[in-house]
Amino acid sequence: DTAVSQTPKYLVTQMGNDKSIKCEQNLGHDTMYWYKQDSKKFLKIMFSYNNKELIINETVPNRFSPKSPDKAHLNLHINSLELGDSAVYFCASSQYWPHTGELFFGEGSRLTVL
Amino acid sequence: TQLLEQSPQFLSIQEGENLTVYCNSSSVFSSLQWYRQEPGEGPVLLVTVVTGGEVKKLKRLTFQFGDARKDSSLHITAAQPGDTGLYLCAGALLSGSARQLTFGSGTQLTVLP
Repeated sequence: DTAVSQTPKYLVTQMGNDKSIKCEQNLGHDTMYWYKQDSKKFLKIMFSYNNKELIINETVPNRFSPKSPDKAHLNLHINSLELGDSAVYFCASSQYWPHTGELFFGEGSRLTVL
Repeated sequence: TQLLEQSPQFLSIQEGENLTVYCNSSSVFSSLQWYRQEPGEGPVLLVTVVTGGEVKKLKRLTFQFGDARKDSSLHITAAQPGDTGLYLCAGALLSGSARQLTFGSGTQLTVLP
C-alpha cells in the first residue's frame, strides 16, 4: 500500500492550459503539503493544510489553487499554465502540526509546459 | 539566498571512499532532518537530530548537529554505489507560529563502482 500517492506521475501540456494533480495519503496524518522541486532540485513549500484548513500559503501565484476535500486528500489545480511552472510537484504529509516530525512524500508529478 | 546552504553541490567518488556533506545556516533550528532522494522518487527521511552537539549513526552514515543548532554534517564511511542519490537537509525553525521545514540546496552524490 502506497502511503502517499499522487497522480498523474507525468503531465505534458501546452502553455495556457489548466491542469490538476491529485494526492491521497492513507497514513491518518493531519497535515498535508505541496512542494515544488525546480530543475536545480531545490524543494520549496507551496501550501500546507492541517485538518482541511489552509495553514501555509507561500508566495505562490494565485493561478495555483489547492483544495482539501478531507484530511486524506489534497489536490492542486493550476490555471493558465506558464513555461516557468515546469517542475516536479511533490505532495507530502506529516502526523502533527506544527511540524516537527517526519515528512512522507509521494513519488512526485513531473509537469512539463510546452 | 537560501536559508540552508549545502556543500558540496555535487560529489562524485569511488566506491570505498569516505565523504562528508555539510549543511549550514545563520538561523537556529529546533531540529534538523536529513533526507535521501533517488531518481523518480520522493525524499525519504534518514534521521532527525534535535539536541545541539548530537551525533547519530545509521550503519555507515554518521550525522552531527552543531552545538549552536545552526549547522549539520553527514559523513559516509566506505561509500557504496547504493548510497548514490540526492541528500537534502531540512531544518525546522526555532521561532514562529507557522513552523515548517525549510530544505537545503541539496548535494548530489554519485558513487562509482
